[in-house]
Amino acid sequence: AQSVTQLGSHVSVSEGALVLLRCNYSSSVPPYLFWYVQYPNQGLQLLLKYTTGATLVKGINGFEAEFKKSETSFHLTKPSAHMSDAAEYFCAVSNTGNQFYFGTGTSLTVIP
Amino acid sequence: DSGVTQTPKHLITATGQRVTLRCSPRSGDLSVYWYQQSLDQGLQFLIQYYNGEERAKGNILERFSAQQFPDLHSELNLSSLELGDSALYFCASREGLADQETQYFGPGTRLLVL
Repeated sequence: AQSVTQLGSHVSVSEGALVLLRCNYSSSVPPYLFWYVQYPNQGLQLLLKYTTGATLVKGINGFEAEFKKSETSFHLTKPSAHMSDAAEYFCAVSNTGNQFYFGTGTSLTVIP
Repeated sequence: DSGVTQTPKHLITATGQRVTLRCSPRSGDLSVYWYQQSLDQGLQFLIQYYNGEERAKGNILERFSAQQFPDLHSELNLSSLELGDSALYFCASREGLADQETQYFGPGTRLLVL
């Protein structure tokens, strides 16, 4: 069975600082990996995804993530946090053809 | 705007009642997924339909049921509601069944059971 672990349910960073949100997955086969963002009272929006090819994936709003098979990780980063980045972030894995498995989410707070 | 619509946006009802949540997928998407998001359980997959047929079941209670109609819209029926059913219910759609396809989420229906 697949699972996704997001380390740190709450992360706080200063405006302009590096954002690092951690995601580890367990999968018996190469996975497809996704990061979604959820702003208050809204649905989930895709930030980026890894399917095949280049392991460093760039997404919207300056975010990127690197697929590291040896570490079974797909951490999300952004060089410089902006106030508008405050939101809930979800990592997800898909490799069954029918289901997505979501992590429990990380709430990002950006301190001015 | 993801292209996925959900109605109603908010729903307040009483314990024991039954409600129906509606979802219209993105144009051309054949797969519809339903999720429940609550503070204590996180984002839980409930059920998936593909082109009118049930495809996968997750943590869906027997009191809940869903269907997908020929026009591909889907409805989630929640009956004998309990206080614990209060949550955000999301619908997501996907073009087909390929693993790498993105799921596009609707804005959700917030259900409050009093």
